[in-house]
Amino acid sequence: GIQVEQSPPDLILQEGANSTLRCNFSDSVNNLQWFHQNPWGQLINLFYIPSGTKQNGRLSATTVATERYSLLYISSSQTTDSGVYFCAVEKQTGANNLFFGTGTRLTVIP
Amino acid sequence: DTGVSQDPRHKITKRGQNVTFRCDPISEHNRLYWYRQTLGQGPEFLTYFQNEAQLEKSRLLSDRFSAERPKGSFSTLEIQRTEQGDSAMYLCASTSHLLGNTEAFFGQGTRLTVV
Repeated sequence: GIQVEQSPPDLILQEGANSTLRCNFSDSVNNLQWFHQNPWGQLINLFYIPSGTKQNGRLSATTVATERYSLLYISSSQTTDSGVYFCAVEKQTGANNLFFGTGTRLTVIP
Repeated sequence: DTGVSQDPRHKITKRGQNVTFRCDPISEHNRLYWYRQTLGQGPEFLTYFQNEAQLEKSRLLSDRFSAERPKGSFSTLEIQRTEQGDSAMYLCASTSHLLGNTEAFFGQGTRLTVV
């Protein structure tokens, strides 16, 4: 398989603060996605970002494929941002499925 | 396009019973995946289909598990003789794998509790 490591495992923020979540992976990838898992368990797509930088409102992501890491930035956090954030990758060769990290649990307090 | 749909959302069953879950992918997507997620972990791959062909199975998929996608549209995942260790969230995802875009979209999941 491929190793996917996310940090930090837990993060507590005051509303309005900014944060950076990191995802390291151990092999070349075709696909990298960031998800937010809501309290009901559904995985919400945030970014499809095998390389480069994308922005969507208060969220942005950067993947540096040659150095095998990706970063998710959350600015001006809100209580609704709380939940678990997962990074998932698809290997460039071999398996066609996504490999997930263990997630970062974010809690935003008012 | 209504997204990926899974049914039921919740299932409670007694140990030893059989259960079946259904997944309806996004209509134009040719690949369909099943994942399992236990508490505190990320989802883990179980199996996937390209159209109606089951192309890969994880070693997590014991012989009590079987999946089908008979007409290349919806899929079912059956667990026979359920055990308490099967309690988990079962997630379905679909992708189109066309034009190099392999973005996966997930359903809401089926939460299985074996008592």
